[in-house]
Amino acid sequence: DAGVIQSPRHEVTEMGQEVTLRCKPISGHDYLFWYRQTMMRGLELLIYFNNNVPIDDSGMPEDRFSAKMPNASFSTLKIQPSEPRDSAVYFCANSYGRLNTEAFFGQGTRLTVV
Amino acid sequence: KQEVTQIPAALSVPEGENLVLNCSFTDSAIYNLQWFRQDPGKGLTSLLLIQSSQREQTSGRLNASLDKSSGRSTLYIAASQPGDSATYLCAVYSGNQFYFGTGTSLTVIP
Repeated sequence: DAGVIQSPRHEVTEMGQEVTLRCKPISGHDYLFWYRQTMMRGLELLIYFNNNVPIDDSGMPEDRFSAKMPNASFSTLKIQPSEPRDSAVYFCANSYGRLNTEAFFGQGTRLTVV
Repeated sequence: KQEVTQIPAALSVPEGENLVLNCSFTDSAIYNLQWFRQDPGKGLTSLLLIQSSQREQTSGRLNASLDKSSGRSTLYIAASQPGDSATYLCAVYSGNQFYFGTGTSLTVIP
């Protein structure tokens, strides 16, 4: 397995544009997490899914942020419209089950909104 | 809500020294604790996972301990090398999510 795959690795966009970040999880790992990392706040959980169903989206900062997981092999995080303060590294992570919950992270998408 | 703290925030040591990184958490009801390494501009790489019923885990020069009742974990790195320079994060898994510390930035000087 190639691990968690995120795309794009880098994204530069202008304020007001729509941004879509993508994640291909590890096959069979039923938990998927979206995190945001900044220097000021560290790693923040935005939302997580279990078996493709959103369980907790209380970390999503605003209505401008939305996430979907249409099937077990794909998830997206969308920001519309984007703002400069959304600039951060966004990580997708997977874990399996409840007890054996080792987390596997993707390489992240570095988003810059100018 | 679970809070995870890592001390120190930054550490600089000469090559060859043994060192200890600390992690503390406020709620002892955890399933496990995981230590990660993050290199600049990269994702997180899992180093060690300690289940709540375990006291320690070892991998090569790394040894992680867990004292759940006191809410503490340590990561011991033996005979440090310049290649160990990175940010080390600990995370506890409770309530179906991970809670991360802010990390310790380690620099090993050749």
